[in-house]
Amino acid sequence: GESVGLHLPTLSVQEGDNSIINCAYSNSASDYFIWYKQESGKGPQFIIDIRSNMDKRQGQRVTVLLNKTVKHLSLQIAATQPGDSAVYFCITNAGGTSYGKLTFGQGTILTVHP
Amino acid sequence: DGGITQSPKYLFRKEGQNVTLSCEQNLNHDAMYWYRQDPGQGLRLIYYSQIVNDFQKGDIAEGYSVSREKKESFPLTVTSAQKNPTAFYLCASSIVQARQPQHFGDGTRLSIL
Repeated sequence: GESVGLHLPTLSVQEGDNSIINCAYSNSASDYFIWYKQESGKGPQFIIDIRSNMDKRQGQRVTVLLNKTVKHLSLQIAATQPGDSAVYFCITNAGGTSYGKLTFGQGTILTVHP
Repeated sequence: DGGITQSPKYLFRKEGQNVTLSCEQNLNHDAMYWYRQDPGQGLRLIYYSQIVNDFQKGDIAEGYSVSREKKESFPLTVTSAQKNPTAFYLCASSIVQARQPQHFGDGTRLSIL
């Protein structure tokens, strides 16, 4: 079955450092990937997405890299701030027309120390 | 502002009672979803609906029921058949098109006394 796993369940960084959160996925049919940020007691907040026809996409202070060959995804956060502390989820779809089928992993806890 | 409203934020019910969680969206999205999140875990799909008056079971539908009578609303009922209902419940919506993100509400935390 599908699985989405994260290499590091926790990540601690100093304020101002760059953060890299890694994610592996298993479904080779997945063609869409999303990163969400979830703060305590709140719903997941969309950060950035990428389609399988791309290998890199940049947003504000964030970059997502996709390596389809090894089924690996990463989220890079530049100049990490205390407000970036949250759980980060790497999400993939099931491919094709399964719009509603998103697979959530356990998430990575990012802690930013001032 | 457009968004998804879940209410109430906290809900307490006695064992054996059914309870209904509200989810309303004004994003004009056709698709809506319900997820369950347990401590330290990812989200698991309970039910989803891509159009009014139609919905499909997700991965953990047992003990839950939904209705979709209006585009804006997708209430979830946690029935007494759900063996372990204490959890954080999240509602989401999206447009019905491949490769689009889902937008989430801020959840309802349900506790069974």
